[in-house]
Amino acid sequence: DAGVIQSPRHEVTEMGQEVTLRCKPISGHNSLFWYRQTMMRGLELLIYFNNNVPIDDSGMPEDRFSAKMPNASFSTLKIQPSEPRDSAVYFCASSPGQQETQYFGPGTRLLVL
Amino acid sequence: RKEVEQDPGPFNVPEGATVAFNCTYSNSASQSFFWYRQDCRKEPKLLMSVYSSGNEDGRFTAQLNRASQYISLLIRDSKLSDSATYLCAVAGGYQKVTFGTGTKLQVIP
Repeated sequence: DAGVIQSPRHEVTEMGQEVTLRCKPISGHNSLFWYRQTMMRGLELLIYFNNNVPIDDSGMPEDRFSAKMPNASFSTLKIQPSEPRDSAVYFCASSPGQQETQYFGPGTRLLVL
Repeated sequence: RKEVEQDPGPFNVPEGATVAFNCTYSNSASQSFFWYRQDCRKEPKLLMSVYSSGNEDGRFTAQLNRASQYISLLIRDSKLSDSATYLCAVAGGYQKVTFGTGTKLQVIP
């Protein structure tokens, strides 16, 4: 079975550009999570959805970050405008329920120059 | 106080050694507990869930201490392939799962 799919796997962009990260969760999973991981701060939850509805976006750094989940099989995380401090690995994870085991995608390595 | 705390390590241990990690959590209502493993430049993957009575999977043993609000992971007979970062995760009530920052383990030949 396909796991969580993320694209792109790598992204290099210049400061000020818009970045869109994509995620396809495991079919049948009701919860989807976006994380950011850096050496300094570890794994940080940015936002999570339950049944396509955003439940907690308190981890979203600022208004430059937005996330959508238009249907059960697709979600996007957008950064506009991007800044060098946004450079990190962004993981998407899904789970059958919000307190159950999470399955992570391979991540998107973002570098903002 | 952070919701979930781990010693970042690194723990450098020789092959064959036994090593234990602890993870403390602040929410006494927490109900679900997990250990994840993350290899360098890879995504976290579930190692094992932690049950109230404790559970074992081969060389790995996980335990929960509700009174002191921590979970532990014991690895016996360490292998080189056990080198990774180990993340604990905790969830409670209607809350999301919260991850610790991870403990790095390096098993030395």
